[in-house]
Amino acid sequence: NFILTQPHSVSESPGKTVTISCTRSSGSIASNYVQWYQQRPGSAPTTVIYEDHQRPSGVPDRFSGSIDTSSNSASLTISGLRTEDESDYYCQSYHFSSRVFGGGTKLTVL
Amino acid sequence: QVQLVQSGAEVKKPGSSVKVSCRASGGTFSTYSINWVRQAPGQGLEWMGRIIPLLGVPDYAQQFQGRVTITADESTNTAYMELRSLRSEDTAVYFCARADGDSSPCDYWGQGALVTVSS
Repeated sequence: NFILTQPHSVSESPGKTVTISCTRSSGSIASNYVQWYQQRPGSAPTTVIYEDHQRPSGVPDRFSGSIDTSSNSASLTISGLRTEDESDYYCQSYHFSSRVFGGGTKLTVL
Repeated sequence: QVQLVQSGAEVKKPGSSVKVSCRASGGTFSTYSINWVRQAPGQGLEWMGRIIPLLGVPDYAQQFQGRVTITADESTNTAYMELRSLRSEDTAVYFCARADGDSSPCDYWGQGALVTVSS
């Protein structure tokens, strides 16, 4: 199996753009879809990006996802940062029926 | 509207077992993937396993093999996760989450059930 590595934390100012990376340790990042979840304290996660770059209805277009095969990583980009974006973000992929989560990134909007 | 409602918080002794339930309403139960994900205090999400009720055969994360059992009862639209030989490191919030399939995101989550393992 593989692991997904995320930065422990990132911070940026309101109105700016931030990108959170998710690097796959083995196998191609393009082999299996990557999902991204937002989790606020005390709540269950919610999907902000699925299938690498698709956005569920209700998620603002400030959220976007991509993959980069050269770095074997996926990225979540949030533009026009708002204070309410401050949350933990997790990437997730899978290997057959097993799901793999990244370690999570704490986004601080200051 | 799909809802997953989990059983309540539990306090268990080391070495004992816990069984958490997850009742689904508002949608088809049998053909979806019901996943179990846990989160230790201040830590990240950890996938434990999943079951597709119609198929009835669970898959488990390697680190839980032999210690966890996931089942589903189609008659009550309820999934269960039993974890045995509990240790303090198993203290966590246990979530159930529904997905269309293994390559799909977990779109619906239960509220979580806190399991505390303490002597």
